[in-house]
Amino acid sequence: KAGVTQTPRYLIKTRGQQVTLSCSPISGHRSVSWYQQTPGQGLQFLFEYFSETQRNKGNFPGRFSGRQFSNSRSEMNVSTLELGDSALYLCASSLGVAGYYEQYFGPGTRLTVT
Amino acid sequence: AQTVTQSQPEMSVQEAETVTLSCTYDTSESDYYLFWYKQPPSRQMILVIRQEAYKQQNATENRFSVNFQKAAKSFSLKISDSQLGDAAMYFCAYRNQGAQKLVFGQGTRLTINP
Repeated sequence: KAGVTQTPRYLIKTRGQQVTLSCSPISGHRSVSWYQQTPGQGLQFLFEYFSETQRNKGNFPGRFSGRQFSNSRSEMNVSTLELGDSALYLCASSLGVAGYYEQYFGPGTRLTVT
Repeated sequence: AQTVTQSQPEMSVQEAETVTLSCTYDTSESDYYLFWYKQPPSRQMILVIRQEAYKQQNATENRFSVNFQKAAKSFSLKISDSQLGDAAMYFCAYRNQGAQKLVFGQGTRLTINP
């Protein structure tokens, strides 16, 4: 079974631009979560989606948004990019939302904002 | 809000020896899950071991075991017979029952000396 895939793997953008990152969960998984990883702030939770509904959102400004499609694929969008948005963005999928379901992480998208 | 603290930014150990990584957490919940994740230089987040709070028995996975002290809110990871492939960042993480959101510690960088 294929793992969680994230595209693109690397991305360079300029301040003020917007960016869309994509995450394809493991087949059959309906829950997708997003995390931002930076050297200064560590790993921080962004969003959690299940069946196209956002169930939980982290403490990030409104420039960060996401969605989930009927096939469980998820996208996150960052508008008006700032230098501080440079990070590794990780996506994780699981079968469901209960805490006992295992989360499987993708390889991440490395975003660099110049 | 739940918090996770890893007080050891870096640790090193000789190959074949044993090392223990520390983690403490804070929560008012009684039912939750704790995890140790490994992130090698490839950046792929890999689950090492998990512990359900309702289980008194400490989890073990081959050379990896935990010391779960619920009253003290402590969750340490012991790696026995350390191997070069164990070198990585190790993150302690917390998750509530009924949610997929993970709260991560700041991580411990583990170096294995040959």
